[in-house]
Amino acid sequence: GAGVSQSPRYKVAKRGQDVALRCDPISGHVSLFWYQQALGQGPEFLTYFQNEAQLDKSGLPSDRFFAERPEGSVSTLKIQRTQQEDSAVYLCASSFWSLYSNQPQHFGDGTRLSIL
Amino acid sequence: DQQVKQNSPSLSVQEGRISILNCDYTNSMFDYFLWYKKYPAEGPTFLISISSIKDKNEDGRFTVFLNKSAKHLSLHIVPSQPGDSAVYFCAASANTGNQFYFGTGTSLTVIP
Repeated sequence: GAGVSQSPRYKVAKRGQDVALRCDPISGHVSLFWYQQALGQGPEFLTYFQNEAQLDKSGLPSDRFFAERPEGSVSTLKIQRTQQEDSAVYLCASSFWSLYSNQPQHFGDGTRLSIL
Repeated sequence: DQQVKQNSPSLSVQEGRISILNCDYTNSMFDYFLWYKKYPAEGPTFLISISSIKDKNEDGRFTVFLNKSAKHLSLHIVPSQPGDSAVYFCAASANTGNQFYFGTGTSLTVIP
């Protein structure tokens, strides 16, 4: 499809397990963002890539969270030793140019992560 | 600290009437503002945007107004349709930053 694709759509893991969430941005999009959305809240910024460079990871809540985009297209968000507070919807978004060009981001449908 | 605030969690409007959704922000460096619409189990969909050099932007039934001195923006939907029922998020960014800041959303219900 032409949109941002995220997989899996739903993920259930036991506390302490590692998880990996995948994002396929729109082809050719330079910028890629990860957000965390808790129930009843708006999306909260986690990290930003421009091509393969991670330019901002200030929103990652702890060193258990790690994101990569090695070839400047697909990105993976990894959470190690998951905790119950990690339960949320993780949204990926992409845009054609950099953030500074004032362009909207296009979102995927998210991965709903539940930690038991 | 929430830099973008949507103080109304929900709004109900009759079909055909105007829906007005409000958003306030605290950071005077914000210069680009967007509205997103979100259906359950889907990601947010871009609706309309405005840059700080304008005070109004219109796209069909949707108009966004920006009042920089009050640090306030609003989304007007006229006429409202049942398909407009969704959660609406406002978001803002600054030219100096790398992220968008989102409000907590307003759930709009348009009653047929």
